Order: sequence, then structure tokens, then C-alpha cells
Amino acid sequence: DVKVTQSSRYLVKRTGEKVFLECVQDMDHENMFWYRQDPGLGLRLIYFSYDVKMKEKGDIPEGYSVSREKKERFSLILESASTNQTSMYLCASSLSAASLAKNIQYFGAGTRLSVL
Amino acid sequence: AQSVTQLGSHVSVSEGALVLLRCNYSSSVPPYLFWYVQYPNQGLQLLLKYTTGATLVKGINGFEAEFKKSETSFHLTKPSAHMSDAAEYFCAVSGAWDGNNRLAFGKGNQVVVIP
Repeated sequence: DVKVTQSSRYLVKRTGEKVFLECVQDMDHENMFWYRQDPGLGLRLIYFSYDVKMKEKGDIPEGYSVSREKKERFSLILESASTNQTSMYLCASSLSAASLAKNIQYFGAGTRLSVL
Repeated sequence: AQSVTQLGSHVSVSEGALVLLRCNYSSSVPPYLFWYVQYPNQGLQLLLKYTTGATLVKGINGFEAEFKKSETSFHLTKPSAHMSDAAEYFCAVSGAWDGNNRLAFGKGNQVVVIP
């Protein structure tokens, strides 16, 4: 089974802190994604990556950056956390860049981040 | 841009009754369509998907969905609800628009099953 592991289930940070959310997948998937999930808004794509050191902005990239130094690891970085970034963050991966649309995305359990 | 509409953020259904969750999408090209389910305190997992071929798609846990191109719909059904079906359900669509084949999600339906 594909396993997508997010390093923390719950995280509490203070306004202005630099926050790192880590995601690791164990199935040699090429694509990795970071989403934000808020009640009534569904999932919104922050960034995605289709290869090591490659990244693309999603729908809501402002205030976030990402890093993919190794194929299995995709990090989401909040440079200076703000209260409006309090949310559930979901990481996902999928197999191939060749047919991105057909690929099933596999999700981690999520990190619930509170910024105080 | 592509979009997905799921009406009714909260859906209540009696145990044993039909589950019907509606999904409509906008797309100028043939879409790929997905339903995902999120159980409490878990990530999303795939229920079923449509890419090509038969328009009635069967998924896990007794769920199925039918792609209707003329109605731009991909509604999810289950004949008889079980308590374990209480979860949040997301419809998603992707296709070759804007050069990026990304998933666009609907806002979700929180399903409550009443004993």
C-alpha cells in the first residue's frame, strides 16, 4: 500500500514563526501536492511538484513556499506564520507526470496547524 | 477555469436509506472524475473514478457513480446507508486545461447517518 506520512498531526505555532510541514511518500511517486482544507471551502491547492527541485504554484500560494530536494520528501514552508494560516494541511502524491490527470492521488492524514 | 459544484454541505440520511450526493462540473474538454471520502481524523481516500469507457462506475463500500456528459454530472449513490458511511465526501475533476492536469475539488458533503 502507498503510504504518505505527514510528520505532525497537530502543531501550534506563534504569529511570525517560520513553520515547516514535512511529507514523505514511500512509493517512488513523481508528483506531490500540498493542499489546505477549510470548512465550507473544500481542498485548495497550494503548491505541487512533478519532479525533484521542480515546483508549480497552485491556487493559493501566497504566504507559502515549498522544497523538494529528494523525490520522496515534499516540504511546505510558512515563512512568517499568520493567524489566517490556521487550517488543516494535506499532503498527497501520485505516480506519474506523464498522465497527471488520470493519476489517483494518495493522501496523508493531515496536519492541523494552529497559529496563535 | 474548471469548477465542481456539490450542493448541500451537510446531508442527513437514515440508516438503510438511499445515499445520493450530487456533483456537477464545468469543463470544456472531456474530464476525468473522482469521488474521495474522508473519515474522521483521516486523509482522503479514493472511492471511485471515471476516466474513459463505461459511464457507470463502481467503487468501494457499495458506492457507484454515473457520468452523464449531457448533464455534466457525476452523482454518487449507495442503495442502503450504513452507520460507517458517516464521513465527508469530495467530488473532484481534472483534465488537460491550462497545460496543468490538476485536481479541482468541490467543497464537500458532510454525511450524517441517522440510526
